[in-house]
Amino acid sequence: IAGITQAPTSQILAAGRRMTLRCTQDMRHNAMYWYRQDLGLGLRLIHYSNTAGTTGKGEVPDGYSVSRANTDDFPLTLASAVPSQTSVYFCASSDTDSKTQYFGPGTRLLVL
Amino acid sequence: GQNIDQPTEMTATEGAIVQINCTYQTSGFNGLFWYQQHAGEAPTFLSYNVLDGLEEKGRFSSFLSRSKGYSYLLLKELQMKDSASYLCAALNSNYQLIWGAGTKLIIKP
Repeated sequence: IAGITQAPTSQILAAGRRMTLRCTQDMRHNAMYWYRQDLGLGLRLIHYSNTAGTTGKGEVPDGYSVSRANTDDFPLTLASAVPSQTSVYFCASSDTDSKTQYFGPGTRLLVL
Repeated sequence: GQNIDQPTEMTATEGAIVQINCTYQTSGFNGLFWYQQHAGEAPTFLSYNVLDGLEEKGRFSSFLSRSKGYSYLLLKELQMKDSASYLCAALNSNYQLIWGAGTKLIIKP
């Protein structure tokens, strides 16, 4: 693989269910990010990780959790999905020097 | 508070020039990014400015004025494939990107 991959591409989820969105990068970037994108709003940061083993909260962290066990993977978990979490979720990564973020293809999530 | 403002939508003609403006207010500033996002796709990096002035990259140029909290993206010789949303984002003192809602650019033949 080259770049960032996300899985699944899309998902329909019943409210109350648990769901993990996967993100993997092969660029050896230190930092990784999870965003959600909703119509009419800018990308909003959910959680981030500056390096393996550390994570931090972004602008809209409630209802989401992340882990960073290694450099490549940064899964995002919705513990108990609610309809307001219907959105497009993007994972991104950047190296320490350039700060330029590179995005995965996104996961389209519909919570009913 | 932190805020990025850019127009919601712009229309331009194929072959013409268009300028997309962005104003920002952030807690600290470490640079200004522009990304392109086609419908249904991920954002892709276009440019990064941290110093005042104009950066030219082919048909696209980006300008920054730190004192005015202002940037613009200039697209020349517009092509139909340039129809997309253009996202402005400022890097704050925590090195987090604050994003605008994006400008949808419609290109007409």
